[in-house]
Amino acid sequence: AQKVTQAQTEISVVEKEDVTLDCVYETRDTTYYLFWYKQPPSGELVFLIRRNSFDEQNEISGRYSWNFQKSTSSFNFTITASQVVDSAVYFCALSEAQYGGSQGNLIFGKGTKLSVKP
Amino acid sequence: NAGVTQTPKFQVLKTGQSMTLQCAQDMNHEYMSWYRQDPGMGLRLIHYSVGAGITDQGEVPNGYNVSRSTTEDFPLRLLSAAPSQTSVYFCASETGGNTEAFFGQGTRLTVV
Repeated sequence: AQKVTQAQTEISVVEKEDVTLDCVYETRDTTYYLFWYKQPPSGELVFLIRRNSFDEQNEISGRYSWNFQKSTSSFNFTITASQVVDSAVYFCALSEAQYGGSQGNLIFGKGTKLSVKP
Repeated sequence: NAGVTQTPKFQVLKTGQSMTLQCAQDMNHEYMSWYRQDPGMGLRLIHYSVGAGITDQGEVPNGYNVSRSTTEDFPLRLLSAAPSQTSVYFCASETGGNTEAFFGQGTRLTVV
């Protein structure tokens, strides 16, 4: 069965520290998609990244980077030089290809609440 | 540039009342879905639709109905509200291709 585990419930760091949010997933499909979303205190959900199972290249976008490792079924998210504005709940999610890669059928982890203190 | 619009933003219902949460998107997306978010649970899929006239159940469909008569709208109906349905509800839409998903701002529902 599909499952996404975010073992870190809450993380607190001081500004400018690097922080890694862990995500471990389970799926029996060979084709699947992984996502990260950010939910700031205002409550909206912000899409950060989508990665398909055939693309194991790590990705960097500014201070954000993602490490996808199929061998360990992990899709970890690192924020470099964290800022107070990074304080949010971060969700990792999985979608299987049977839905054509639709993000309308996401299995979410329970989220990691990141607090960045000045 | 509205994106995905959910109404209302807040709602208080009494047990047994019915209501409809509205969701509309103006991006001509085929895929739409409803999630509920409960503390410590992440988001869970209630119902989804892959196009007008087509809907299916997600992980937690009991107590909810949906229909999709147009591409733009995907309302969620609570037939007889229960306190267990107190939650934040999110509507989402996307094209179905390798593109970004869009979520509405959420509806905070309290059933007393």
